[in-house]
Amino acid sequence: DADVTQTPRNRITKTGKRIMLECSQTKGHDRMYWYRQDPGLGLRLIYYSFDVKDINKGEISDGYSVSRQAQAKFSLSLESAIPNQTALYFCATRFRQNTEAFFGQGTRLTVV
Amino acid sequence: RKEVEQDPGPFNVPEGATVAFNCTYSNSASQSFFWYRQDCRKEPKLLMSVYSSGNEDGRFTAQLNRASQYISLLIRDSKLSDSATYLCVVNIPSNTGKLIFGQGTTLQVKP
Repeated sequence: DADVTQTPRNRITKTGKRIMLECSQTKGHDRMYWYRQDPGLGLRLIYYSFDVKDINKGEISDGYSVSRQAQAKFSLSLESAIPNQTALYFCATRFRQNTEAFFGQGTRLTVV
Repeated sequence: RKEVEQDPGPFNVPEGATVAFNCTYSNSASQSFFWYRQDCRKEPKLLMSVYSSGNEDGRFTAQLNRASQYISLLIRDSKLSDSATYLCVVNIPSNTGKLIFGQGTTLQVKP
């Protein structure tokens, strides 16, 4: 089993719908991140969390919200999905600053 | 100027060739550096960390040049299985420990 697991792996949703992407990890890391990847733009940070009581906005947080339900779980929500949120979404964890990040398998989201 | 810049390629090389990628970063206080490999539509996976003294892992060599603010990745004796996108990643020093990703360099190794 993967150390960082994302669900669902693929999702097609309609404009205006609310959708939640879930991430769970077994690495025991405190730091968790949500990124989105678009062709030609690389990975961009949406939100990050350093522990259950800590939530921080990344560079592209508008239209998204997150919840850190436990050390191992970090969910990303699109309150009202729009087509330009169609992208590949990755959850990642890190042990501490200056260490590498470990990624989930990704969620391919299409908003129609 | 982007914080981390890479030539997107693609780099098309024959099997057995040596290929090198460079990546430049803008924040001179950056502390840690990584190369990740990403296969099509899959998650990035750590290829190697980049240390100040340079480091080597089999056919892969990474170098850091702090004075010129670039890191490099050298792949020797390219294999078909090396075909992928290589992401340069830089840790920006702050209380957030922010990772900045380059857009990636695509390598295609041909038979």
